[in-house]
Amino acid sequence: EDKVVQSPLSLVVHEGDTVTLNCSYEVTNFRSLLWYKQEKKAPTFLFMLTSSGIEKKSGRLSSILDKKELFSILNITATQTGDSAVYLCAVYGGSQGNLIFGKGTKLSVKP
Amino acid sequence: DVKVTQSSRYLVKRTGEKVFLECVQDMDHENMFWYRQDPGLGLRLIYFSYDVKMKEKGDIPEGYSVSREKKERFSLILESASTNQTSMYLCASSLLGAQSYEQYFGPGTRLTVT
Repeated sequence: EDKVVQSPLSLVVHEGDTVTLNCSYEVTNFRSLLWYKQEKKAPTFLFMLTSSGIEKKSGRLSSILDKKELFSILNITATQTGDSAVYLCAVYGGSQGNLIFGKGTKLSVKP
Repeated sequence: DVKVTQSSRYLVKRTGEKVFLECVQDMDHENMFWYRQDPGLGLRLIYFSYDVKMKEKGDIPEGYSVSREKKERFSLILESASTNQTSMYLCASSLLGAQSYEQYFGPGTRLTVT
């Protein structure tokens, strides 16, 4: 069965800390891995990763994929309270080629 | 900017009622999706559509149906709502070639069935 596993499920840090969120997957017909940020409403797209070892970066956020070990990490440096959200990892693949989501990591950043 | 809108943010219905959830996207996307999101279970795909009048079952289609009469609109129908369908429902859209493009999500409809 295809699955995407995120860890930790929740995390509490203080402003200024650096955090690493993990996503491992076992998905047939892997095509790409996506990260989303979800605050109170719609998930918003962060990154799409298709190649191993190539870091994608946007401001204080960065992500990298390891297709050999089947995982990805999302790093957030110098965290701010506005980074508090649920971070979703999803993989395109499986028998239908759709997005398979992990359960998310809930990040809380305390001032 | 891609915009995906959903007809209601919050909805309360009674057991046995027929429920319509509407989703509209304004970016001419071919693909549209309906998910439900539950604590501890994450997002699960209910139905998706790659074209007008076309639909495909996702992982949990039981108790749901869909309709896509126009490219920009994708409706989720609960023929006879039950309490276990209380959930957050998210609609999404993307360009064709789904595995190459990110999905854009609507704000969600929180449905409570009493």
